[in-house]
Formats: sequence, C-alpha cells, structure tokens
Amino acid sequence: NAGVMQNPRHLVRRRGQEARLRCSPMKGHSHVYWYRQLPEEGLKFMVYLQKENIIDESGMPKERFSAEFPKEGPSILRIQQVVRGDSAAYFCASSLQGKDTQYFGPGTRLTVL
Amino acid sequence: DQQVKQNSPSLSVQEGRISILNCDYTNSMFDYFLWYKKYPAEGPTFLISISSIKDKNEDGRFTVFLNKSAKHLSLHIVPSQPGDSAVYFCAASGVTGTASKLTFGTGTRLQVTL
Repeated sequence: NAGVMQNPRHLVRRRGQEARLRCSPMKGHSHVYWYRQLPEEGLKFMVYLQKENIIDESGMPKERFSAEFPKEGPSILRIQQVVRGDSAAYFCASSLQGKDTQYFGPGTRLTVL
Repeated sequence: DQQVKQNSPSLSVQEGRISILNCDYTNSMFDYFLWYKKYPAEGPTFLISISSIKDKNEDGRFTVFLNKSAKHLSLHIVPSQPGDSAVYFCAASGVTGTASKLTFGTGTRLQVTL
C-alpha cells in the first residue's frame, strides 16, 4: 500500500532555472495539497487541487509559482526563475475527501545556488 | 499572524513518563485539529485528530484534549518511548472557506531520554 510519493527527493538549481516537483497521491486519493517548510518554521499551505482543478491557491506566491493536477499523472509544482529564497522543503499531501486527514509524502528539498 | 502557536520549541522527558505537548489557536472558526510527528528529512506522519464536537480523543498511547473556551489543545503520550523523539506539529482547519487547508504551528521538538 504505497503512500504519497514525491520526486525528486533532493533538487539543486541555480538562480534563474526552473524547478519541477512531482507528487503522486495515495491510491484512491483525488485531493492533493502542497506545503512549504522554510528552515526552523512550520509548514505553510500553498495550494489545494483536485483532478484538473485548483480549489484554493491562497498560499501560492503571485509570481513564478504554479501547480497542476492533470487527469492522468502526478501533481506538479512548478517554480520558474528560482531565487535563493525558494530554498525549502516542499511537501505534498493527499486525502480521500476534502475534509479528511491529509497524509504527507517525504518531501522534496530544493536548494537554490 | 500566527493562528496556531506552539510556544515550547523543545521538551525533554524521561522514558516511561508522560509527555505533554501544548498548542494554542486564535481562529475560532477552526473545527478540526490534528497532531503530526516528523523525523528529520521525512514528511509529517499523522498521529491523531479531534473534532471540535469532542473534548478528548484517545488512540493507544496518544490522547488529545481540546478546550474550546481556552482555544487550547494538548497531546499526551503515555508512556513516552525513545522512538517518540521527533518534532511534533499541531495543525488546524476550519469550517468556512476552503475547509481543507491546514494551518500548522511551528513545532515542538520532543526528546525522550533513557
């Protein structure tokens, strides 16, 4: 029974490059959430998606960040033109229904040089 | 604006004793609360949750207490074991708007000593 899968686990990018983070939810889950954890801080909500729909993107920075959850395939969090301040751990979670418990993946640690 | 607060950044408890982790919230619209445990370089692992219609929920060694009037919840771990050493996050979600969004505290690092 596979849990939430994220890849890559570690990603290094130079300033100005693009970062793509992938998340495959638990089997049967159609609700996906992205959170970011900066060093020494708690997790901060970024975006909530269902298949082919963005439900809540109130935590997403207005520029450079986008997310999708296509009908087929994993959810993608895309960061364009990365800056050093984007260095963080990015966690994906999934749930069966919108109000159900969220289960987290292992995270992708992004380092921007 | 920190809506969920964990005021103790760290806690040390002897093995076999009770660990009590505390969490305060300011948003009265929160109606569902969760505790997650996190090891370094891993994702948070769900431990236990409580709905605002209850004041206590128990699962094995873990019990969560909710005091709505004080906007306070606590996680009790009895007895504490060395494997419980981790960072514990309190999280909350609300009934209005996008109810699924979780708001996290900053975490409490628990160290269980032998």
